[in-house]
Amino acid sequence: AQSVTQLGSHVSVSEGALVLLRCNYSSSVPPYLFWYVQYPNQGLQLLLKYTTGATLVKGINGFEAEFKKSETSFHLTKPSAHMSDAAEYFCAVSDQSGTYKYIFGTGTRLKVLA
Amino acid sequence: NAGVTQTPKFQVLKTGQSMTLQCAQDMNHEYMSWYRQDPGMGLRLIHYSVGAGITDQGEVPNGYNVSRSTTEDFPLRLLLAAPSQTSVYFCASSYSIYTPYNEQFFGPGTRLTVL
Repeated sequence: AQSVTQLGSHVSVSEGALVLLRCNYSSSVPPYLFWYVQYPNQGLQLLLKYTTGATLVKGINGFEAEFKKSETSFHLTKPSAHMSDAAEYFCAVSDQSGTYKYIFGTGTRLKVLA
Repeated sequence: NAGVTQTPKFQVLKTGQSMTLQCAQDMNHEYMSWYRQDPGMGLRLIHYSVGAGITDQGEVPNGYNVSRSTTEDFPLRLLLAAPSQTSVYFCASSYSIYTPYNEQFFGPGTRLTVL
């Protein structure tokens, strides 16, 4: 069965600093991985997704993630944090047991300090 | 194109009361689902539907009922509300659950408190 683990329920960075949010997955088959962002009092929206092919995936708002099979990781990064990046971020993997429902991680709340 | 809409935005219930959370989408998506979001637990799937007339249970279905009479609507019913159902509820939809790259579109959520 597929699963994802997000290390760090809260992450704080200074404005302009590197953002690194960690996600490790467990899957017996090639995974389909997603990052979603939830701004305060809003629903989730897709940041980026990994399917197959290029291991470095670029998303919206300057975010990118690298798929590393050897480390079973799909960490989310952004070179320079902006105040508007403060939100909760969720990593998800597609369940592949007949349908492709999402299995979400527990989320990481990003705080950006001025 | 309104996307996924949910009503109400906020609701307070007393233990034992019943209510229906409404969800609608105008994207002609076959797949619709309900999640609950609780601190430290991420999003957990309650029920889902792969088309009109077809529903199935997710990870945490107890205490909730659903039906799907049209492609557009997917209401979630709480029959006997309990304090453990205090949560934020999200409805989501996607074109299909049978393709691996499907993006799910989320509604704005309903914040429910059960006293």
